[in-house]
Amino acid sequence: QLVESGGGLVQPGGSLRLSCAASGFTFSTYSMNWVRQAPGKGLEWISYISSSGGTIYYADSVKGRFTISRDNTKNSLYLQVNSLRAEDTAVYYCAREYYTHFDYWGQGALVTVSS
Amino acid sequence: EIVLTQSPGTLSLSPGERATLSCRASQSVSSNYLAWYQQKPGQAPRLLIYGASSRATGIPDRFSGSASGTDFTLTISRLEPEDFAVYYCQQYVTSPRWTFGQGTKVEVK
Repeated sequence: QLVESGGGLVQPGGSLRLSCAASGFTFSTYSMNWVRQAPGKGLEWISYISSSGGTIYYADSVKGRFTISRDNTKNSLYLQVNSLRAEDTAVYYCAREYYTHFDYWGQGALVTVSS
Repeated sequence: EIVLTQSPGTLSLSPGERATLSCRASQSVSSNYLAWYQQKPGQAPRLLIYGASSRATGIPDRFSGSASGTDFTLTISRLEPEDFAVYYCQQYVTSPRWTFGQGTKVEVK
């Protein structure tokens, strides 16, 4: 199971830290991803982190503003989101990567960027 | 940059009908890394198909996937009421890592 938290309303330029708590599997052995979905829009992959945390990738749309991390001792994935813009308003999902696909997804955390 | 183009944008069908959804990659890709997801309103996406044609655990056999070059197809043989949803294809890409198609909505006619 994956459970996101930390979403909310934030002003443009503000910051948030999203968390994803994992349970029911050996978290430390899986790569993880963040995917977001703007209201009424499609899915957008935004970040990846390897099982150890040693390899990280970002989509160009968030590079330099978002930071992915994980704490395998706490079975948790994080996304630090800074310099937020209106276009970052979306539901943010964490998803477990299993070789060629994402097999488990969280329920999502809504981030609304508005003044 | 690899782009996945899904068509049609919306498919209007009746329960019991056959649905054929397309996902075309802009350049050569590995079918091993092509997946399909279903998403219903207010819910997270659910994995349906991986490796272009393998059904995920618990997915009914009315869902099937196929590949031909850069063209991938998701077929729902007989639509059930619970199948009306949005469907996304996903592909692993070298950079930045993953990409999704824009989605196909299957709606009740």
